[in-house]
Parts: sequence; structure tokens; C-alpha cells
Amino acid sequence: DTAVSQTPKYLVTQMGNDKSIKCEQNLGHDTMYWYKQDSKKFLKIMFSYNNKELIINETVPNRFSPKSPDKAHLNLHINSLELGDSAVYFCASSVETTGGARYGYTFGSGTRLTVV
Amino acid sequence: LAKTTQPISMDSYEGQEVNITCSHNNIATNDYITWYQQFPSQGPRFIIQGYKTKVTNEVASLFIPADRKSSTLSLPRVSLSDTAVYYCLVGARYSSASKIIFGSGTRLSIRP
Repeated sequence: DTAVSQTPKYLVTQMGNDKSIKCEQNLGHDTMYWYKQDSKKFLKIMFSYNNKELIINETVPNRFSPKSPDKAHLNLHINSLELGDSAVYFCASSVETTGGARYGYTFGSGTRLTVV
Repeated sequence: LAKTTQPISMDSYEGQEVNITCSHNNIATNDYITWYQQFPSQGPRFIIQGYKTKVTNEVASLFIPADRKSSTLSLPRVSLSDTAVYYCLVGARYSSASKIIFGSGTRLSIRP
């Protein structure tokens, strides 16, 4: 199946821990994103990479560090997790940096992170 | 950035036509209107995009009046599986993702 896949789907961890979320797309898209969705369903962009290069870095704590080993993968590492980091994190991709606006973003199914 | 306003929630019944309206009073000339659908435990899915008048695909229709200050997503003969959150977005077709704002969406609940 062509898709954006992210793992794990659920992640429960204690405050202060470090965790990673992995994302892969086999759509041949050049651009990948991380979004955060809070409990009120607001979806906010965090980072964007185009062909392994960081192009969008919204106001996100330094504890969040994305890494793109190649254009098909974008991982998110979070250090020193806090209660407020609890949310659903979505990976997405688009044809090009502005392709999302023209053709739409393809989202993964999300990773529900719960920090206790 | 063009801000959008849409109802927080809507209820309907199977077999009905559902219309969800989105207001975007400060839409710019280059802006397009895009709707996404998000099922529980899934990411949003692109369903339709338009600039003016009417656009129709296999999932929905999008009606945009001449002044483009609002748009209406129309779902014909809904079923239980149409229960989802629907997001209205406004932005230029060459916009960076940081300028494409997802609001809180409209939570549509379909009852038998």
C-alpha cells in the first residue's frame, strides 16, 4: 500500500524520558512534516523537511528534534518529556514544499503520546 | 492568513444531505478553499478543493458564492461512516505549510 506510516501508534511514558516516533512514506513525495494535534483537535505544524533539508521550524521547544535520514523518512525525537507534550503527533507528506496547498497533504494515522 | 470559522459540531441522520458552512471573510484573491476529513484515530484526508462556483467529486460537493467569503461542503446521503471531523482551510496554492491553518474543525455525528 502506498501510504505514510508512523510508529508506534501509542506511546505511554513517564515525565523526563526520551522517546522517538518514526515516519516513512512510500509515495515518492519530496516534503515531509510533523504536526501536533491537541485535545481540542487543533492541528499545528511543527516541522517540515524537503529532501532531507529543514524548511519549516515553527516555535517548538528545543526538546523536539526532527531528523530526516532520507527523503522517505522523517523521525521525531523528544527529550525530557513533559505532561504538556501529551497529544497526537501526525506525520504527513506532500509532492513538494508547496504541494500540500495545491494537491493536499497525505497524513499518517498518528501517534498518541501520553506522558504520565 | 485567512482565518476560517465553522460550526463546532453538527448532527444528522443516515440518508440525509449534510451541508457544513465555513466563513472566511478575509480570503485573498489567490486563496483556494480546501476541505479535509478526519476519522477517529486517523490523520486528516484531503477531500475537495475549489476556487469559485461549484466543484464536485465522488465524495462531496463544494459550493463557493461569488464573493468567496464563505463556502459550503455538501455531503449527499450521509451514512454512519461519514462521522468525522471536517476541516476547512484557506490558502494560496503555492503557500508554505506554515501558512495553511487547520482550525478545530466541525465534528459531524451521523445517527441511524
